[in-house]
Amino acid sequence: GAGVSQSPSNKVTEKGKDVELRCDPISGHTALYWYRQSLGQGLEFLIYFQGNSAPDKSGLPSDRFSAERTGGSVSTLTIQRTQQEDSAVYLCASSLGGTALSYGYTFGSGTRLTVV
Amino acid sequence: AQTVTQSQPEMSVQEAETVTLSCTYDTSESNYYLFWYKQPPSRQMILVIRQEAYKQQNATENRFSVNFQKAAKSFSLKISDSQLGDTAMYFCAFLTGFQKLVFGTGTRLLVSP
Repeated sequence: GAGVSQSPSNKVTEKGKDVELRCDPISGHTALYWYRQSLGQGLEFLIYFQGNSAPDKSGLPSDRFSAERTGGSVSTLTIQRTQQEDSAVYLCASSLGGTALSYGYTFGSGTRLTVV
Repeated sequence: AQTVTQSQPEMSVQEAETVTLSCTYDTSESNYYLFWYKQPPSRQMILVIRQEAYKQQNATENRFSVNFQKAAKSFSLKISDSQLGDTAMYFCAFLTGFQKLVFGTGTRLLVSP
């Protein structure tokens, strides 16, 4: 597609429920990132996929968080047993890999998750 | 670990004036890249300007320019002739080793008529 697409745009869920957030990167972009932006905070790195390499999961805050990327394209971030502190905007970004990363990422518009 | 610090949570400027947003970073690397991103209310992060650490010349993009001081590990953004559309959150970010971007906490800029 022309840009990075994220769905849903907004999600309200009850505490304890599971949620899935979707990211459709720019076609041909091999690198895909998930960040979390809590109210008044900067962007917190969650996970990074690069081609067929094992993902960098070093930013996932707990084992309730997981992500996968199927076929090197679409990615899904899953949060199990949601807690109120999970409320945030979840941003996805993609980029061409390798040295092209030095030109920055293209971001989606994010999913605002509200846990009530 | 690399860190990025933006010490100004909020800034205000009047239309047509110039404003400078501050950013400092900490790294032991010698080769890296620095970025300023803008986040309007639409939430989409937009790349404003990029600087390569091995280039001494400061990057410019139209009304946006940076003051890159490598020894001081400082990377400020100057916005000239501010416009109402410049109202947004601005994030400074750092990249090394072609890994992940590390972001500061952001500066909220309000441009008033």
